[in-house]
Amino acid sequence: GAVVSQHPSWVICKSGTSVKIECRSLDFQATTMFWYRQFPKQSLMLMATSNEGSKATYEQGVEKDKFLINHASLTLSTLTVTSAHPEDSSFYICGSGQGAREQYFGPGTRLTVT
Amino acid sequence: QKEVEQNSGPLSVPEGAIASLNCTYSDRVSQSFFWYRQYSGKSPELIMSIYSNGDKEDGRFTAQLNKASQYVSLLIRDSQPSDSATYLCAVNGRTGNQFYFGTGTSLTVIP
Repeated sequence: GAVVSQHPSWVICKSGTSVKIECRSLDFQATTMFWYRQFPKQSLMLMATSNEGSKATYEQGVEKDKFLINHASLTLSTLTVTSAHPEDSSFYICGSGQGAREQYFGPGTRLTVT
Repeated sequence: QKEVEQNSGPLSVPEGAIASLNCTYSDRVSQSFFWYRQYSGKSPELIMSIYSNGDKEDGRFTAQLNKASQYVSLLIRDSQPSDSATYLCAVNGRTGNQFYFGTGTSLTVIP
C-alpha cells in the first residue's frame, strides 16, 4: 500500500498559538489528501479535502479560517490550526489514495492545547 | 441519519473463534467499502476493500457486501489476541473521493 508520513507525531502548544502539521506521500503523487480529526473513543471525522494547486474543500461545520490547508505540491499537504484552543486538542490524521480506491493514513498527530 | 453505522461493542470472542463485525450505510450511491483496524493511539490500517456484491477472502479475513441491503460485514476466522483492536467500516461518499467512517467496533480476543 501507499506510504503516508506525518510530522510531528505529537505537539503541545499554548492556547492562542498556531500549529502546523505536515502530511507527505512518500511513494506516490497525491493530487488529493484528506484531513481527519478523531476525538477519544470516537471515529474519524473528515474535516477537509486538500487539492493540489487549488483551494481545499471543507466539510460542513469546519471553519476554513481556523484550519488552514495548503497543498502546494503533489507530495505535501499542510494543516495549520490557527489560534488553537483546548477544544482543538485531538488526534489529527491525514489520508491519501487513488480516488475511490484504498485510502492510506499517516501515523497521526496528537495535538494538546494547554 | 449517520452515513455509516456500526455496533460499538465491545465484542469479546475466545481465541480461535470467529469474530463477526457488521456495518450498514445510508447512501445507495456508495461504490467502495473498506474495513480498517485501529489499535489504541495509532492511525487506522487498511485490512480489506470490497467493491462488488458477495464475499472477498484474504487470509483469515472475509468481507461480505450486500448492496441491496446496504450492508457490509467482516469475518475474522481463528481470532488471535493480536486481533484485539477497534475495527472501522468506511464507505466512499457521493463525490467518490471522500470516505466516511463508522464509529468502530471494539473487539477483544480472549486468550
